[in-house]
Amino acid sequence: DTAVSQTPKYLVTQMGNDKSIKCEQNLGHDTMYWYKQDSKKFLKIMFSYNNKELIINETVPNRFSPKSPDKAHLNLHINSLELGDSAVYFCASTNRVSGNTIYFGEGSWLTVV
Amino acid sequence: LAKTTQPISMDSYEGQEVNITCSHNNIATNDYITWYQQFPSQGPRFIIQGYKTKVTNEVASLFIPADRKSSTLSLPRVSLSDTAVYYCLGGGYNQGGKLIFGQGTELSVKP
Repeated sequence: DTAVSQTPKYLVTQMGNDKSIKCEQNLGHDTMYWYKQDSKKFLKIMFSYNNKELIINETVPNRFSPKSPDKAHLNLHINSLELGDSAVYFCASTNRVSGNTIYFGEGSWLTVV
Repeated sequence: LAKTTQPISMDSYEGQEVNITCSHNNIATNDYITWYQQFPSQGPRFIIQGYKTKVTNEVASLFIPADRKSSTLSLPRVSLSDTAVYYCLGGGYNQGGKLIFGQGTELSVKP
């Protein structure tokens, strides 16, 4: 079973559309993240939720809205998509007792045309 | 927050030992140092973690000096399949859960 799974893996959409990426972890972790990786490979943290509560919001445009229905799920909704939103979005999770060990999903490749 | 700095790229040949050093000058006293590996089209995956001195597992060794301001990931006898981006992670759960990745080191292993 995949520990951190995210869907869709690939998404091509037009500018101005609204899209969502879903993430689920079956590790029993209490903290989940969204990271954005651009073409330069830089992994930038976007959001973090701990037990369904938002604890990190890293100056991300408010077109990006995370939602955590429960601590095993963290979805990312993006409104009014722009060309610059094209990137790979990684969901990840961790737990207080696992220190810095983060478990990542396989990524969602978003292309805005 | 512990900001990390590491070389952007490194080249090596099969069978060589590769050492990648990361500096984390302001790492918190109770934070661990963690390294991740990322292959193309995949998410980063955990390689090794340490607090101080030396840690070794089946994949790599991690050397951390007493001042903990840097760490060195050592990959013994690399193969072509070790070509990947390696990230050093500073910060930790104790810093409000903000786990910050550096820019990564792109390792290219040649035959």
